[in-house]
Amino acid sequence: DVKVTQSSRYLVKRTGEKVFLECVQDMDHENMFWYRQDPGLGLRLIYFSYDVKMKEKGDIPEGYSVSREKKERFSLILESASTNQTSMYLCASFKGGGAYEQYFGPGTRLTVT
Amino acid sequence: EDKVVQSPLSLVVHEGDTVTLNCSYEVTNFRSLLWYKQEKKAPTFLFMLTSSGIEKKSGRLSSILDKKELFSILNITATQTGDSAVYLCAEYSGGGADGLTFGKGTHLIIQP
Repeated sequence: DVKVTQSSRYLVKRTGEKVFLECVQDMDHENMFWYRQDPGLGLRLIYFSYDVKMKEKGDIPEGYSVSREKKERFSLILESASTNQTSMYLCASFKGGGAYEQYFGPGTRLTVT
Repeated sequence: EDKVVQSPLSLVVHEGDTVTLNCSYEVTNFRSLLWYKQEKKAPTFLFMLTSSGIEKKSGRLSSILDKKELFSILNITATQTGDSAVYLCAEYSGGGADGLTFGKGTHLIIQP
């Protein structure tokens, strides 16, 4: 079974703090994604990566950066957290190359106060 | 303008009823249409559809794609309270910055 894990289930941070959210997958998938999910807005793509050290902006990259130094690990960084970044953050991965099933991690509920 | 539109946004039915959830999408670079079920945690994959008219089935759930009319439906027969969830559909457009584009979901509530 594909396993996608995220470093924290719940996180509370203060405005201005630097926040790291980490995602690890154990199935050698090339593609990894970070989404945020908000009521009424659905799932929105922040960044994705299709290979080590490669990254692409999604729909809402502002205020975020990412890092993919190893194939299995994709980190989302909030350089200076703001209250409007309070959300559920979901990481996902899939193999690609015709296998489009995307597998999600359990999510991190981030609250910025 | 939303690229993937789901309807209805919410639906309440009684146990045993059959429900049909709808998803319409744009055609640009379309590769596949995916359905997910989301309860109180991350979405879990249900179906991937790439060809028109071929029904995919898993137990009481089934789904079909119409590439001419640009929509997909998800059917659930003999619903159970455990089917209560948000059902998400997503369009996959291949590489670049698109990834998967999700609809806002249909919130399905099954009453006993």
